[in-house]
Amino acid sequence: EPEVTQTPSHQVTQMGQEVILRCVPISNHLYFYWYRQILGQKVEFLVSFYNNEISEKSEIFDDQFSVERPDGSNFTLKIRSTKLEDSAMYFCASRIDANEKLFFGSGTQLSVL
Amino acid sequence: GDSVTQMEGPVTLSEEAFLTINCTYTATGYPSLFWYVQYPGEGLQLLLKATKADDKGSNKGFEATYRKETTSFHLEKGSVQVSDSAVYFCALSESGNTPLVFGKGTRLSVIA
Repeated sequence: EPEVTQTPSHQVTQMGQEVILRCVPISNHLYFYWYRQILGQKVEFLVSFYNNEISEKSEIFDDQFSVERPDGSNFTLKIRSTKLEDSAMYFCASRIDANEKLFFGSGTQLSVL
Repeated sequence: GDSVTQMEGPVTLSEEAFLTINCTYTATGYPSLFWYVQYPGEGLQLLLKATKADDKGSNKGFEATYRKETTSFHLEKGSVQVSDSAVYFCALSESGNTPLVFGKGTRLSVIA
């Protein structure tokens, strides 16, 4: 079965640094998402992306966050100046259509020190 | 807003034991309900879903019934295997492209 691929699997950064989390969605998918899970808490929606623009975002997704689909295959999440509370597992997801099955990547564990 | 509450883990069972993981939800409309599973080192995978009241989702021996009267979607399996060890997430979505709302996840460990 096709997979959503996320890299790196673990990322450690210093507070205040910029990080870019990378995702390669399934090739014919059109809808893209980022979720995150802080340790011990719920998986939370961050942002959805369709037709080269953000279609919805949560209140977590503030000005420090941005997403980009730079080349038609990658889908990236950038955190401009990381905070300790950004430490979490970040999941990318994609699907071919809004009503179809959502496929998740295995996640990037971000640790902000 | 919408929310999902599922039983705290971890849950440890012996092989062939009966499994129940409780999930209740709060929603303004009539959501679709889902169970996702995350095996070690992998992404979340859709395990089963139900889109309306009294629907039963089933897959790989797991079942869950959409109970509107109790706002619940409990996951059950009659006889668990070691390979079922994973984290299970209950989730809802109000409509097609509405973001999923997840519970915290319940870690299941099955021992031989």
